[in-house]
Order: sequence, then C-alpha cells, then structure tokens
Amino acid sequence: ILNVEQSPQSLHVQEGDSTNFTCSFPSSNFYALHWYRWETAKSPEALFVMTLNGDEKKKGRISATLNTKEGYSYLYIKGSQPEDSATYLCAAYGSGNTGKLIFGQGTTLQVKP
Amino acid sequence: GAGVSQSPSNKVTEKGKDVELRCDPISGHTALYWYRQSLGQGLEFLIYFQGNSAPDKSGLPSDRFSAERTGGSVSTLTIQRTQQEDSAVYLCASRPQAGGAYEQYFGPGTRLTVT
Repeated sequence: ILNVEQSPQSLHVQEGDSTNFTCSFPSSNFYALHWYRWETAKSPEALFVMTLNGDEKKKGRISATLNTKEGYSYLYIKGSQPEDSATYLCAAYGSGNTGKLIFGQGTTLQVKP
Repeated sequence: GAGVSQSPSNKVTEKGKDVELRCDPISGHTALYWYRQSLGQGLEFLIYFQGNSAPDKSGLPSDRFSAERTGGSVSTLTIQRTQQEDSAVYLCASRPQAGGAYEQYFGPGTRLTVT
C-alpha cells in the first residue's frame, strides 16, 4: 500500500516569491506520480503526470521534477501570483491496472498581493 | 466538451437518512473513481469502476456504502443510514481507461453534511 506525504501542509508567500513543495512516496511498486491544483469551489485540475525517473515537466511558471529511486517529487512555482492560491495535491499510482490514486494531504498555498 | 458533472453540489441530511450522490463522467471514459475528503484529511479512494464492474471496492468504509454504474456511464454512490462521520466532500473522476499514465478528470464534488 502506498503512503504519500506532502510538505509543508500550508504556505503563505508574497506575490512575486518563488516557492516549492515536496511529495514523498515509497519508491517500490511505483508507476506514476500526479500533481493536481484544487481551487476552492472548483474541480481538481491536473498539472502533471510523470512516470520516469528524472522527469521534469513545465507549464508556464510551474514545474515539477521526479526522483523515483529515492521516492520524491518537487513542485516549483516561480514568481507566485494571487491566482496561484490553491491546494496542491500529489498522488501516486502503484503497479496494477486500476489507475487508483493514493493522495497526500495536500499543500495549501496562499499568495498575498 | 463537457467535463465530469456531479449532483447535488451540496446535500444536508439528518443522521440516519439515506443519500444518493450522482456522477456523470466524460463520454467514452471507461474508468470511473469515487474519492472523498473528510475535514482535515487528504483525498481518500473509495471505489473504482471499469465499465459497469467494480473490481476494486477496497476503499468503501463500511457496508452502508454502495455504488453502481449503469450503461458504462452514470454512477451513483449510496450511503445508507448516514452518520456524522460521513460528512465530507465526495469527488468523482474519470479517465479514458484504467491503465497508462492518464490524468484523472474530476468533477466539482458533492459536499455532504450530516446533522
């Protein structure tokens, strides 16, 4: 059974600051790592799906890296904006064909103007 | 195209009553998932459907919880004799197929409050 942990639990930054979050997961029995952004009153939205060790993905000011050997992923936000305020969820998918995701508790980011 | 929809968006019910939560996945998506987030907790897997079958029900917390999917499309999650600990946001997600590195497409959720 996968156990996914995220840190920090919450983060308050000023507009323009860069920030990063950590997601850790068991390195054995790993298939894919997902990052989602969940804004209040909206659906969680996929940011990245990564599978390969050393994967780096970027979408605008947000990027993510994956280390499957040591079991961690980092999410970076460069130059945070108030619209980046949301809960960022990390989820791992182990081997098997169900696609069932095991989520961490999330990191809630608040960006102050 | 249309995304995943869920209804109702909010539901307040009295302890002991039964509730039904509905999910309409994206058309053509064979895999469907139910998750919930209780206060202060992360998203917790409940059940997975492939077509109309549920090969993984391991996350259902008790036998008061059941779910079905018909026509390979709409799914209903039923909670019988609701308890206060059932209060949570219930999310539904779908994806084109179960295997592979596909993202899951989530609905907006149903916020259930049991009084």
